[in-house]
Amino acid sequence: GAGVSQSPSNKVTEKGKDVELRCDPISGHTALYWYRQSLGQGLEFLIYFQGNSAPDKSGLPSDRFSAERTGGSVSTLTIQRTQQEDSAVYLCASSLSVTAQPQHFGDGTRLSIL
Amino acid sequence: DAKTTQPPSMDCAEGRAANLPCNHSTISGNEYVYWYRQIHSQGPQYIIHGLKNNETNEMASLIITEDRKSSTLILPHATLRDTAVYYCIVRENYGGSQGNLIFGKGTKLSVKP
Repeated sequence: GAGVSQSPSNKVTEKGKDVELRCDPISGHTALYWYRQSLGQGLEFLIYFQGNSAPDKSGLPSDRFSAERTGGSVSTLTIQRTQQEDSAVYLCASSLSVTAQPQHFGDGTRLSIL
Repeated sequence: DAKTTQPPSMDCAEGRAANLPCNHSTISGNEYVYWYRQIHSQGPQYIIHGLKNNETNEMASLIITEDRKSSTLILPHATLRDTAVYYCIVRENYGGSQGNLIFGKGTKLSVKP
């Protein structure tokens, strides 16, 4: 497709379950970013990839969060043993490279932990 | 932390120009000014960016002061669909260690009929 695609668009799960969120960046974009937005809050940066490599994982809020990217394209963000404070909209963005802007965003995955 | 200051909210009449200000007094010489907006339930949408010169595209115009310490985003003929939160962001076009955008609280623009 023409834009960044994220799936699922909505996810409701029980506390303690694992969830996997998917991001399909714009074709040819080597840089990929994950952010999250809690209700009524601004965007919080989580992690970025240049190609398949994530040079800095310090933005991930806890060790329950992990992300990977294979083939320089699709990325998955995994949250293990979900907690209620993980409820948020998880947004993915891509750009041609880390040095090139702008970043183009998907519409996010709305994650609700019961 | 965000390096920009924006008013929390603004109103604009439909069909009129919306002028959204942004202060970035600590901007450095190699930092660009970017504008994004976020319409309810959607991801942020890129609008425009610039370094020193004024810029215009099909969505908006960006006016940057000569000292680069502030800028104004202009939507020339606001419509109801322009109601959104508008974010002003400064960053280098070299990503440095992360390349991420740092979003502040933005300006909630309400376009009224």
